[in-house]
Amino acid sequence: GAGVSQSPSNKVTEKGKDVELRCDPISGHTALYWYRQSLGQGLEFLIYFQGNSAPDKSGLPSDRFSAERTGGSVSTLTIQRTQQEDSAVYLCASSLVRLITGAENSPLHFGNGTRLTVT
Amino acid sequence: GQQVMQIPQYQHVQEGEDFTTYCNSSTTLSNIQWYKQRPGGHPVFLIQLVKSGEVKKQKRLTFQFGEAKKNSSLHITATQTTDVGTYFCAGYKGSTLGRLYFGRGTQLTVWP
Repeated sequence: GAGVSQSPSNKVTEKGKDVELRCDPISGHTALYWYRQSLGQGLEFLIYFQGNSAPDKSGLPSDRFSAERTGGSVSTLTIQRTQQEDSAVYLCASSLVRLITGAENSPLHFGNGTRLTVT
Repeated sequence: GQQVMQIPQYQHVQEGEDFTTYCNSSTTLSNIQWYKQRPGGHPVFLIQLVKSGEVKKQKRLTFQFGEAKKNSSLHITATQTTDVGTYFCAGYKGSTLGRLYFGRGTQLTVWP
């Protein structure tokens, strides 16, 4: 696709239910990131993937959060037993592999996000 | 904890006034990127700075990277209502692709 696609765009769920958020990165982008943004707040790093592996999972808030990526493409962020404090916009971003030369790094291309509301 | 500090958190200006947001890291950054998020939108990449002391311009926007590669600034000359949004700085630390540390952002409001 032309850009990063996230689904659903909006999700309302009851406290205690599980949710799955999906991200389709730009074709050819090997790096994939998940961030969380609460209302009026900055970007909270959750996890990033290089290919199918996740070198850095330290941003996941609790063991209720997990993510996977298959085929070096689509990623799913799963939140189990949702809590009200999980309500936020979940943003996915992808980028090309960092170039070896110099200190250039490919920019992140963000999707439109999934707005999660836990009632 | 917050790895990249950004100030101010909010800035309200009259159209035509200048605006500056500052970004600071306690450790050296490999490079720094700037993003803009319009209200209701997602962050969009603006520019990347790599070299110590680097200055780049995009029309009315001027970006600087500090000599020690620990701080950066974005300056907008003669703001317009189209400049409204939240500006984020983000930096990588170290030599490998990894976590991109975002500042908390500066939310700019421009009064006509």
